[in-house]
Formats: sequence, C-alpha cells, structure tokens
Amino acid sequence: AQSVTQPDIHITVSEGASLELRCNYSYGATPYLFWYVQSPGQGLQLLLKYFSGDTLVQGIKGFEAEFKRSQSSFNLRKPSVHWSDAAEYFCAVGTSGTYKYIFGTGTRLKVLA
Amino acid sequence: ETGVTQTPRHLVMGMTNKKSLKCEQHLGHNAMYWYKQSAKKPLELMFVYSLEERVENNSVPSRFSPECPNSSHLFLHLHTLQPEDSALYLCASSPAGTSYNEQFFGPGTRLTVL
Repeated sequence: AQSVTQPDIHITVSEGASLELRCNYSYGATPYLFWYVQSPGQGLQLLLKYFSGDTLVQGIKGFEAEFKRSQSSFNLRKPSVHWSDAAEYFCAVGTSGTYKYIFGTGTRLKVLA
Repeated sequence: ETGVTQTPRHLVMGMTNKKSLKCEQHLGHNAMYWYKQSAKKPLELMFVYSLEERVENNSVPSRFSPECPNSSHLFLHLHTLQPEDSALYLCASSPAGTSYNEQFFGPGTRLTVL
C-alpha cells in the first residue's frame, strides 16, 4: 500500500541555521511528490513539486527538495531558516490515475531567535 | 475574494445539531475536495468532486453529506456527529481532478462537537 512517512514530528532550529526535513514514501511507480506548508490558522500552501526530470527542485521561500529514487526519499532543505518559516510541513504523494494525495503526518518546525 | 474561502471558520455543535460547512473557490478550477485534519494523523481525503460529479468517497460515515451545486461551491452537511468528528475540515480545489495538479487549500473550519 502507498504510504508517506515523515519521521520527525518536531524539529527545532536556530534562525540562520540550515534545515532538512525528511520524507520517505512507498509507491510502486514514479510518484508525483509535493511539499506543503501550513501556518497557524491557515490552509496548506504548496512549496514545491516533483514530477520528472531534474531531481533537485526549487520552490518558493528559498526551499528546495531532492528526489532520490534509490532511497524513496524527497527531503526538503533550506540553507538558512528565517523565523517566519515556523510552521508545519507536509510531504505528499500523488498516485497516478487517481485523484488522491497521500499525506504524511507532518513535521512541526520551531525556529529559535 | 480570492483563492479558496471557507465559512464558518469555527463551529461548535451538539451531537443532535445539523449544520453545513461552505467552501467557495474563485480560481476557475474544476475539482474540489474535502479533507479532515486531526491532530497527529495524516490528512484524510473525504470526498472529491470533478466537474460537479462525486468521483471519490473514502468510506466516510453517512453523517457527513457533501453537495457540489456548481464547480465553484462545495458544501459539507453535518448531522448527528460524534465527538471524534471534532477536527479541522479543509476544502481544496485544483484545475482538474488528477493527482499531479497542485491543490489550493482554504483556511479550514475548526469543528468542535460537544
């Protein structure tokens, strides 16, 4: 069965430090991969997506993610975190031929001043 | 209004009440979705409408009843809910009902069932 795992429930980093949020998926074919961010009291906003081609994708707000087929991973990175990045981050897999996304449980990011 | 809007933003209801959640998208999209977001659980897809036709119904209890009168509006009718139905209910839309399209989310309705 398809699944998405975000192993870190909470992550705390200092402002200006680098960030990596982990995402592993289980899916038989090449997945459509997404990272969304949810700020308090708001809906989810797309950060970036991967369908095919270059495995390093750039997104909004200075985020990037790398698709590694051999590791079934799609980790999100940012070289220097800002206090405004504090939010919850969700990895999602779109399964071809369906309407469905499968979401991970999310990683809540806290940024220390 | 722009994007996806949801009303009300907060709702408290008793188990015997009947209420409705409303979602409106101003993006010209053809697909709309209802999700349930509970603490420490992945987002649960409840219903999908594509061109006003329900195309997905993920074993949702009948106390939740969706309605899509046109491609811009989506409702979730609630009746005789249980306390475990308390959650954030998110509406989303996408250009078409395929899993490679970006979904645009509303801010959600925080539902509390007493």
